[in-house]
Amino acid sequence: SQELEQSPQSLIVQEGKNLTINCTSSKTLYGLYWYKQKYGEGLIFLMMLQKGGEEKSHEKITAKLDEKKQQSSLHITASQPSHAGIYLCGADGSGNTPLVFGKGTRLSVIA
Amino acid sequence: GAGVSQSPSNKVTEKGKDVELRCDPISGHTALYWYRQRLGQGLEFLIYFQGNSAPDKSGLPSDRFSAERTGESVSTLTIQRTQQEDSAVYLCASSLEMGYGYTFGSGTRLTVV
Repeated sequence: SQELEQSPQSLIVQEGKNLTINCTSSKTLYGLYWYKQKYGEGLIFLMMLQKGGEEKSHEKITAKLDEKKQQSSLHITASQPSHAGIYLCGADGSGNTPLVFGKGTRLSVIA
Repeated sequence: GAGVSQSPSNKVTEKGKDVELRCDPISGHTALYWYRQRLGQGLEFLIYFQGNSAPDKSGLPSDRFSAERTGESVSTLTIQRTQQEDSAVYLCASSLEMGYGYTFGSGTRLTVV
């Protein structure tokens, strides 16, 4: 079965600093999804990547999928307190199975 | 509706009692998923429904867990004889169909005391 490993497990950065979160799959991915979760809330969809080498950006967040489609990174530029939360990557191996999720990366942004 | 709605948002129940959790998916979404998230853990897949096909129950942790969905609308997740290890946030998501992006509800936080 597909397994996703995220690193780091937690991250504390100073406001204004850049950071990167990684997500590695044990198998080739069909689709890779990034979500953000705040305490007491559901998951908020950020981005989906499907093609090897694909890169997408939204505001200060950029996600990339490597050529082999087994690793993705999420990069936040000039972090702000509003970026704090848990970032989860989810993936499916075929487009025909429910998403499997990593354990998440807890991000704290301090002033 | 505009989003996925889950109720109740919080539920405290005594060990041994049965609970029902409800999920209202986005109208028109044929696929519906239930996940469980224990404190500090990732999302654990429980069950999914796709249209009128038989549901995939492969993630249900025991026979105390069951779920139903009426057509392409509301789903209920039932946990019988709750145990303390059932305490978690139960998240529901829906999508147009399998392989499309998921929209999640805010979850039901279940506490078994």
